[in-house]
Amino acid sequence: NAGVTQTPKFHILKTGQSMTLQCAQDMNHGYMSWYRQDPGMGLRLIYYSAAAGTTDKEVPNGYNVSRLNTEDFPLRLVSAAPSQTSVYLCANPTNPYNEQFFGPGTRLTVL
Amino acid sequence: AQKITQTQPGMFVQEKEAVTLDCTYDTSDQSYGLFWYKQPSSGEMIFLIYQGSYDEQNATEGRYSLNFQKARKSANLVISASQLGDSAMYFCAMREGPENSGYSTLTFGKGTMLLVSP
Repeated sequence: NAGVTQTPKFHILKTGQSMTLQCAQDMNHGYMSWYRQDPGMGLRLIYYSAAAGTTDKEVPNGYNVSRLNTEDFPLRLVSAAPSQTSVYLCANPTNPYNEQFFGPGTRLTVL
Repeated sequence: AQKITQTQPGMFVQEKEAVTLDCTYDTSDQSYGLFWYKQPSSGEMIFLIYQGSYDEQNATEGRYSLNFQKARKSANLVISASQLGDSAMYFCAMREGPENSGYSTLTFGKGTMLLVSP
């Protein structure tokens, strides 16, 4: 029972390249979320999905998401920009408090 | 307006002393929850403690306690008897809406870096 896993741990991209950050959970939770963490900014929500087959209606610019099944919630950078350099954290809530259970993160650098 | 405010970018404390990390929040919801997370240099996010808006007692978990003052909208984390391993970034966060709602994302503060010296 690994909880939430993310791959890769680290990656470097060039501006304009595309990439998919992988997130998987084995807890059979409906909701999954993506946050990004930047120095001095805390964690900021990028996107969430309530269940397989659903995603929030507004996708932030530069990102694309899909939720084909309960387990996987990939985040795609369509055409990477230096402003997307960040640590990306995938999470899902646990009951009863709905605190977020986080994956280990992906540290992404866009040059 | 920020929903979670952590006014202390950094804090220093000596080993074995107590330290308070400040957090104020802003919400119009009656039902909400407040969390503290620890992030050591390894990067993992570790859940520390939780306080529900209807909980009358302050939450405690070992050396961690949450000083919840609802009228002042503050949820300070108190770490007693600091240890070197407590050196880390600490984040305050809030869930708006009831427990067991099946959904939540959290709003996070910007964090406080705690350094514990021998």
